[in-house]
Amino acid sequence: QKEVEQDPGPLSVPEGAIVSLNCTYSNSAFQYFMWYRQYSRKGPELLMYTYSSGNKEDGRFTAQVDKSSKYISLFIRDSQPSDSATYLCAMSKTIQGAQKLVFGQGTRLTINP
Amino acid sequence: EAGVTQSPTHLIKTRGQQVTLRCSPISGHTSVYWYQQALGLGLQFLLWYDEGEERNRGNFPPRFSGRQFPNYSSELNVNALELEDSALYLCASRGSQAFFGQGTRLTVV
Repeated sequence: QKEVEQDPGPLSVPEGAIVSLNCTYSNSAFQYFMWYRQYSRKGPELLMYTYSSGNKEDGRFTAQVDKSSKYISLFIRDSQPSDSATYLCAMSKTIQGAQKLVFGQGTRLTINP
Repeated sequence: EAGVTQSPTHLIKTRGQQVTLRCSPISGHTSVYWYQQALGLGLQFLLWYDEGEERNRGNFPPRFSGRQFPNYSSELNVNALELEDSALYLCASRGSQAFFGQGTRLTVV
């Protein structure tokens, strides 16, 4: 079983829809939670970063963490064609004083005009 | 503040050759991670360095190796290149948050 599970999609929604992307994890030692956006043939770009349960909002993006359920989500409101990309969840845990980073497989998202 | 820089951005090698990829982390970041991303696929974890030590390696053969220097920059070496090594190689550095470089696109012919 992978430490972090993410549905690879693809996910296709119409412009303006609310998008929900999700990841589950198995290890309660994960402390920090991140979402990255990756456009084709580019390096991933950090979108959201949080370390506690609850919601964190940044513009049209909301990251949600539920540590009791080991479940994280990214919501995109008023989705735009420019949001079409692969979205990766990531989380980290402390191992021997350093932060080990673990990624989900990524979800490919297409926003249709 | 400069981001994570990787060099070269692109290169083409022949099967059996050796290649060295380089990564300069964000100033103050001590951890460097290397990932392989074949076209259309997810990130495959290669190596993790922290404070000059290898902390973990992914499920790759020994011909994939690397090191981290005292200034926290890092190299990834791949020996005896195979066609399936063609991929985007990404480096990330981490302080409180992890940031990626733009990657090195390696093509093996």
